[in-house]
Amino acid sequence: AQTVTQSQPEMSVQEAETVTLSCTYDTSESNYYLFWYKQPPSRQMILVIRQEAYKQQNATENRFSVNFQKAAKSFSLKISDSQLGDTAMYFCAFNTPNFGNEKLTFGTGTRLTIIP
Amino acid sequence: EPEVTQTPSHQVTQMGQEVILRCVPISNHLYFYWYRQILGQKVEFLVSFYNNEISEKSEIFDDQFSVERPDGSNFTLKIRSTKLEDSAMYFCASSDAGGAVGNTGELFFGEGSRLTVL
Repeated sequence: AQTVTQSQPEMSVQEAETVTLSCTYDTSESNYYLFWYKQPPSRQMILVIRQEAYKQQNATENRFSVNFQKAAKSFSLKISDSQLGDTAMYFCAFNTPNFGNEKLTFGTGTRLTIIP
Repeated sequence: EPEVTQTPSHQVTQMGQEVILRCVPISNHLYFYWYRQILGQKVEFLVSFYNNEISEKSEIFDDQFSVERPDGSNFTLKIRSTKLEDSAMYFCASSDAGGAVGNTGELFFGEGSRLTVL
């Protein structure tokens, strides 16, 4: 069974600073996807960034980037130049390709607060 | 931009009562899901649904739960006889993935329905 662990229940940083959220996972699969989802207060979860395990290059999306260490089973999210709108719950998630059946395994989340 | 919508946003019910949570997935999506999040805990997979039948379900999804796509747009989760431990936020999600090369693996989530069982 796959597990996803987020060891930081809460974090806070000053606006414009850089913050890194940690995530580790455990799996015996060789082909899988990793995700970071963002859940703002009273809003739906939205996908922030995705990484395919077979790709060595770390994914980036504007201010968001990941540090994917496959051997260490680590998948951290870096947010650069943090903005007030980044305040949210962030979930790390994992799945294995299964003909479109996207059964995600989530971590417990990190509540990130950006301080003005 | 198309989005997944859920109703009700909050429902309070008495233990033993039946509850139906409703979802309208994104119209061209093929797979539909329910996840739940008990307060303070992780988001957990309940069930996935494709081609009018359950694709996969978790051990949480026991006989008191059922899902249905009664028409071309709605996707419902029914809890037959609610228990206190069913109190949670229930998220509906959909995806357009079909297993082809380039499958993004992205789920689109609704805002959730908070169920409180008294």
